[in-house]
Amino acid sequence: AQSVAQPEDQVNVAEGNPLTVKCTYSVSGNPYLFWYVQYPNRGLQFLLKYITGDNLVKGSYGFEAEFNKSQTSFHLKKPSALVSDSALYFCAVRDRSYNTDKLIFGTGTRLQVFP
Amino acid sequence: DAGVIQSPRHEVTEMGQEVTLRCKPISGHDYLFWYRQTMMRGLELLIYFNNNVPIDDSGMPEDRFSAKMPNASFSTLKIQPSEPRDSAVYFCASSLTGAFQETQYFGPGTRLLVL
Repeated sequence: AQSVAQPEDQVNVAEGNPLTVKCTYSVSGNPYLFWYVQYPNRGLQFLLKYITGDNLVKGSYGFEAEFNKSQTSFHLKKPSALVSDSALYFCAVRDRSYNTDKLIFGTGTRLQVFP
Repeated sequence: DAGVIQSPRHEVTEMGQEVTLRCKPISGHDYLFWYRQTMMRGLELLIYFNNNVPIDDSGMPEDRFSAKMPNASFSTLKIQPSEPRDSAVYFCASSLTGAFQETQYFGPGTRLLVL
C-alpha cells in the first residue's frame, strides 16, 4: 500500500536558524508529493509539490523541498525560520493503487519556532 | 476570489440529530473533496466529486454519511443520525482540474461536536 511517514511529531527551532521537516514515502511508480501547512483554526494551505523535473522544488513563503528517490524522502526545508512559520505541516503522496486515486496525508509535524 | 466557503464553522449537536455541512467551492473548479480530520486518524478523504458527479465514496464511514453536489457551486455532507464518534473537523476542498496531481484549496473547516 502507498504510504507517507512523518517521523517527528514536533520540531523546535530558533528563529533565524534553518529548519527541516522530514517526510518519507512508499509508492509504486513515480511519486506525486506535496507539502501543506495548517495554521490554527484554518484549512490546509498548499506549499509546494513534486511531480517531475528538478529534485529541488521551491514553494511558498521561502520553503523548498528536496526529492530524493534513493532515500524515498521529500524533506521540507527553509534556510531561515520565522516565528510566523510555526504551524502544523503535512506531507502527502498521491495514491493510485488498487483502483483508487487520492491523496494520503502524513500524521503531521508541528513546527515551533522560538524567538 | 473568496476561496472555499464552508458553513457552519462550528456545530454542536446531540447524538441522533441530523447534521448538514455545506460547502461552496472556488468558482470554475471541477473537483470537490470532503475530508475529515481527527487526532486519532489524521486527515482522511471521505468522498470527491468531478463535475458534480461522485467519483469515489469509499472513504465514507458508513451509511449514516451522505454527500451531494446538486450544482457546481454547492455541496453538502449530511450525517444522519449523528454519533459522538463523528466529532471531528470536516474540510471541503476544491481543485481546478486533474484531481490529485493538482493543488487542492481547502476551506476553513467545520468543527463538529456531537454530544
